[in-house]
Amino acid sequence: EDKVVQSPLSLVVHEGDTVTLNCSYEVTNFRSLLWYKQEKKAPTFLFMLTSSGIEKKSGRLSSILDKKELFSILNITATQTGDSAVYLCAVPPSGTYKYIFGTGTRLKVLA
Amino acid sequence: DAGVTQSPTHLIKTRGQQVTLRCSPKSGHDTVSWYQQALGQGPQFIFQYYEEEERQRGNFPDRFSGHQFPNYSSELNVNALLLGDSALYLCASSLYGDTINEQFFGPGTRLTVL
Repeated sequence: EDKVVQSPLSLVVHEGDTVTLNCSYEVTNFRSLLWYKQEKKAPTFLFMLTSSGIEKKSGRLSSILDKKELFSILNITATQTGDSAVYLCAVPPSGTYKYIFGTGTRLKVLA
Repeated sequence: DAGVTQSPTHLIKTRGQQVTLRCSPKSGHDTVSWYQQALGQGPQFIFQYYEEEERQRGNFPDRFSGHQFPNYSSELNVNALLLGDSALYLCASSLYGDTINEQFFGPGTRLTVL
């Protein structure tokens, strides 16, 4: 059965800290992995990763994929209170049109 | 450029009732997917519509049905509501294609079943 597992489930840090969020997956014929940020309701797109070992960066956020070990990490450096959100990892199995989501990591950044 | 819109934002129903949720996709998108997100969980795929047809369905009972209109907007209908149907219902739109296209999510409809 296809599945996506995220860890930790929740995390509390102080502003300025660096955090690493983990996503491991077992899916049929992997194609890509996506990261979303969910603050209130609508998940907003962060990254799509398809190739192993290539880091995607956007400001203080970066992500990398390891297709051999079947996981991805999302790093956030110099965290700010505005980074507080649930971070979701999603994988679309080959031959399907759906995303399989992990349960998410709830990040709280304290001022 | 209008993003994905959903209505209503909140809804309260009682067990046994029926509900209809609505979604308008992002401009230029032709495919709509629906997800159910229970509290503390990740979104679960309900189904996807393309060209007014249900293209794929997740593990949800027949009480969940949908429709897509010629203008690509979509409805999700849930009959015989159960307490366990209380959740955030998310609509996501994308462009049809064999390659993976990023799904853009709407703000969701919060359904509470009493």
